[in-house]
This record gives sequence, structure tokens and C-alpha cells, in this order.
Amino acid sequence: QVQLQESGPGLVKPSQTLSLICTVSGGSISGGNYYWSWIRQPAGKELEWIGRIYTSGRTNYNPSLKSRVTISVDTSKNQFSLKLSSVTAADTAVYFCARENPSHDTTIDSWGQGTLVTVSS
Amino acid sequence: EIVMTQSPATLSVSLGERATLSCRASQSVSSNLAWYQQRPGQGPRLLIYGASTRATGIPARFSGSGSGTEFTLTISSLQSEDFAVYYCQQYINWRTFGGGTKVEIK
Repeated sequence: QVQLQESGPGLVKPSQTLSLICTVSGGSISGGNYYWSWIRQPAGKELEWIGRIYTSGRTNYNPSLKSRVTISVDTSKNQFSLKLSSVTAADTAVYFCARENPSHDTTIDSWGQGTLVTVSS
Repeated sequence: EIVMTQSPATLSVSLGERATLSCRASQSVSSNLAWYQQRPGQGPRLLIYGASTRATGIPARFSGSGSGTEFTLTISSLQSEDFAVYYCQQYINWRTFGGGTKVEIK
């Protein structure tokens, strides 16, 4: 069974770039027709889909975040990553990496535990 | 953006009772609707996709119904492990989630 684990700094200064990595274990990130996604959840608020990447490198981003987001994949390390630029306090959230499975209508069938990122000086 | 609205925000239910959770979309999402369960400190778990198809390994006490803009998740007989927060999500137009319904012990 695939497992996902987020890693990265827990504290980022305003105006800087938030960078997170998701390590995939229990299966190859290149195997299967999966999308690899990032979702975030500010405290007490709903989940927000950030974007996703296909193993070919094709990406889709939430239009509201598109100008600041970059998602990339490193198949040699079985990892994918998130970069969010020009962060503000509004970007403080728990960030989840996840897998979208076309066999399940591309719904999210596997999630990481999540990692809290706080934006503060 | 399609806005998803869940009700109620909190549902108090006794063990063994039935729970009915609602989700409304601001425009039609056809059957492109999923339900997730989230326990404290964990990532969400897929329960239902296609509005009514149970995901792999999900017990039969979970069922989903609806299409268009109105959807329901029913838990037929609540078990202790079912007390959690439940989210609906549309995936016809990118992905947006509802605000969640917390199912708590009465």
C-alpha cells in the first residue's frame, strides 16, 4: 500500500517561498496513471486543493493560486514537491500531499499525515 | 468556483444510531462528488466517489446518494470509530471541498 510523507520547514517568513517535499513509498511514483497532488487546510477552515502533477510532468493548478505555485516531480527519488512563492499569513496551514487515482474517478485515495507550515516573521 | 456547503456543522449521534449528512453544490456537479472521513491528526480517508460508490475496504454501513446539487452521506449504524469530521468534494471543475460535518457522540 502506498504511503506518502510530507517534509519541509515548519516556519517560513512572509514574502519568502514555502517549499515542501512529498516522499512516496510502497510503490513507484512513475507506476500507474496517478496524479500527485497538494492540498492544504488552514486551522478551522475547509480543505483547499492546490494543484497536481502527472508523472509526465503535466501540471494543473488551482486558478486562485496559479501565479504563485510550482509543483514538480523527481522520479529518481520517488518524490514530488511544492513551491509557493510570496507567502503571507494567509498561507499558514496544514499541507497534505496526496494521490489522485483515475480508477476512483481521480478522487484522492491516499493522503499523507500533513505538515503544519506557519508563515510568520 | 463551485462552492460546496455541508450541513449540519455538527451532528450529535448515539452509538448504533443512523447519521445523515448533507452536501449542496452551488451548481450541478452531476455525480462527480466524493466523501472523506478525517480523524484527528490524520489525513482524510476516501469513503465514497461517484456520489454512491464505496471506495475499497469501506464498510457497507456507509452509503452515498444524490446527483446534481444535492448529496447525502448516510452511516447506517454508528460505530465508535465513525466519530470524525466528514467532507464532501466536487471534482467536475477542479476540486473544491465543503466545510465539513463533525459527527460527535451524543
